[in-house]
Amino acid sequence: GENVEQHPSTLSVQEGDSAVIKCTYSDSASNYFPWYKQELGKGPQLIIDIRSNVGEKKDQRIAVTLNKTAKHFSLHITETQPEDSAVYFCAAVKAGNMLTFGGGTRLMVKP
Amino acid sequence: GAGVSQSPSNKVTEKGKDVELRCDPISGHTALYWYRQSLGQGLEFLIYFQGNSAPDKSGLPSDRFSAERTGESVSTLTIQRTQQEDSAVYLCASSFRPRNTGELFFGEGSRLTVL
Repeated sequence: GENVEQHPSTLSVQEGDSAVIKCTYSDSASNYFPWYKQELGKGPQLIIDIRSNVGEKKDQRIAVTLNKTAKHFSLHITETQPEDSAVYFCAAVKAGNMLTFGGGTRLMVKP
Repeated sequence: GAGVSQSPSNKVTEKGKDVELRCDPISGHTALYWYRQSLGQGLEFLIYFQGNSAPDKSGLPSDRFSAERTGESVSTLTIQRTQQEDSAVYLCASSFRPRNTGELFFGEGSRLTVL
């Protein structure tokens, strides 16, 4: 089955800096890669996703890149703000299967 | 309500007791998922319901775990003879589209502590 590894497990940045979280996946047939943000005491919430037919997607301060050849994808947050502090999960899936989540990254943005 | 609702939000039980966790999905969502999140860990898939089809139980860790869903409504996750390693947050999610082809909407979870 699919295996998703996520790094780093914790990340601390100064407000205004950029943050990058990286994930690798094992199944080359995976074609959908969402990112979820989980704030303390809440359930995860989708923030951005990318499908295998594109290499990059942006939404304001958030961007995701996908390298199918290397089987890795990354989340980029620019101009970080304290409210970006949360746990971020990447995931990968191919059609008909269940999402496989990475282990999560705890992002701390220091004011 | 507008979102996925889970109850109880917190449950403390003694080892060996049975527990029931409830999930009320977003109205109209045909797909329903249960995940387990152990402390500091990722999200572990447990079970998936899609409409009236047979559920995908491939993620259930043991036969002490079971879940039911009637049609496209409420689901209950039952853990029998709880063990300390069952302590975790149990998250329910629903989706309008089947098989992870769209956004999952998660509830806030039920935190289970087994003493």
